[in-house]
Amino acid sequence: EIVLIQSPATLSLSPGERATLSCRASQSIRGHLAWYQQKPGQAPRLLMYDASKRATGIPARFSGSGYGTDFTLTISSLEPEDCAVYYCHQRADWPLTFGGGTKVQIK
Amino acid sequence: EVHLVESGGGLVNPGGSLRLSCAASGFAFSSYSINWVRQAPGKGPQWVAAISRDSTYIYYRESVEGRFTISRDNAKNSVSLQMNSLRTEDTAIYYCARVEVDNGYGSGYYQYWGQGTLVTVSA
Repeated sequence: EIVLIQSPATLSLSPGERATLSCRASQSIRGHLAWYQQKPGQAPRLLMYDASKRATGIPARFSGSGYGTDFTLTISSLEPEDCAVYYCHQRADWPLTFGGGTKVQIK
Repeated sequence: EVHLVESGGGLVNPGGSLRLSCAASGFAFSSYSINWVRQAPGKGPQWVAAISRDSTYIYYRESVEGRFTISRDNAKNSVSLQMNSLRTEDTAIYYCARVEVDNGYGSGYYQYWGQGTLVTVSA
């Protein structure tokens, strides 16, 4: 099973600051990675897929990068509504797996 | 508009059974694979099962293999998850999700999710 390790566990930043979230895979997943945002009581929302492609309707302040085992989600300028938990997800091999999440808090 | 609506959750004793359903609308159902993803309270999402467009390919996570069965009826635009021999660790919100950027085997990413149905396994 491919394990995805996300860091940091919690990120506390002020509005307008840059957020950098990391996801590291236990083996190469090429570019088969997605990022989701989840708010309490809601299903996850797809932000990025294939590591760097923005999903429909996602603001340009969200961007993704990486290949192989190391991936990054960047929020260029935090907005209050970005307060959420962010998960990475690989679809390179069965079983599909998710990371443990990074909680983004807005100061 | 794409809609996925899960039903069938509830409280069940360990060892019991439940059948979840996912009703789809607003898109060409037979053109998309569907996955079930669950989320235990306070935990991250966990993939459970996948079924390809025409049911040719079916996959399960190891912990549910032999206990859960995924199936679909393209004529009725629905997917089911039959869950037997339920364990306390199966307690979670169960989501069905439409697969995007399908690799042809039912694997991909999830743009559209249902609202989820809660399964609680407890004595």
